[in-house]
Amino acid sequence: DQQVKQNSPSLSVQEGRISILNCDYTNSMFDYFLWYKKYPAEGPTFLISISSIKDKNEDGRFTVFLNKSAKHLSLHIVPSQPGDSAVYFCAASADNNDMRFGAGTRLTVKP
Amino acid sequence: EAGVVQSPRYKIIEKKQPVAFWCNPISGHNTLYWYLQNLGQGPELLIRYENEEAVDDSQLPKDRFSAERLKGVDSTLKIQPAELGDSAVYLCASSRTSGGLQYFGPGTRLTVT
Repeated sequence: DQQVKQNSPSLSVQEGRISILNCDYTNSMFDYFLWYKKYPAEGPTFLISISSIKDKNEDGRFTVFLNKSAKHLSLHIVPSQPGDSAVYFCAASADNNDMRFGAGTRLTVKP
Repeated sequence: EAGVVQSPRYKIIEKKQPVAFWCNPISGHNTLYWYLQNLGQGPELLIRYENEEAVDDSQLPKDRFSAERLKGVDSTLKIQPAELGDSAVYLCASSRTSGGLQYFGPGTRLTVT
């Protein structure tokens, strides 16, 4: 069962513009959400997270928005840089239990 | 601080052969995870260890997969015999405590021919 969904397999953005990556979930028990970034031949690395008690968390160029009523979260990267080109995974967990990952979105930032 | 170490990085074997993967977690991390990542998919949990105890192995195909974490540090994941459908990346991750932030190793890419 796909509890975390990333419906866009890929996204292409011009350098300097905003990148918006989307993620939907079905399990209303999820209370913690994370974004991981993955470069080729490397493991996923943690990028940013948000607790279900918040609707926004910001860290430099990266902001995650959470809409609990819609069971939707998004990652905004602004301004986008070529080094941001990677696969981004959305993940969610409930009550500190195991994480469920989406299928990932491949972001390409063009110079 | 050294990250999660996995070996080998790549492995090619023929079907029906056995294969083993090794993981050394970050020092001081009590929780260790093995994930399977198929092409175009996100990581899926196979097994989670709290120290040397496997506390969640519900997704581990026990007919051919086995894992151990002796002494609560290093861990090995074994497949015997391997099938064509086992071709994937096997990721190891660790966290300081259960539910803590997970740090991933680079993975082992397995190809079964």
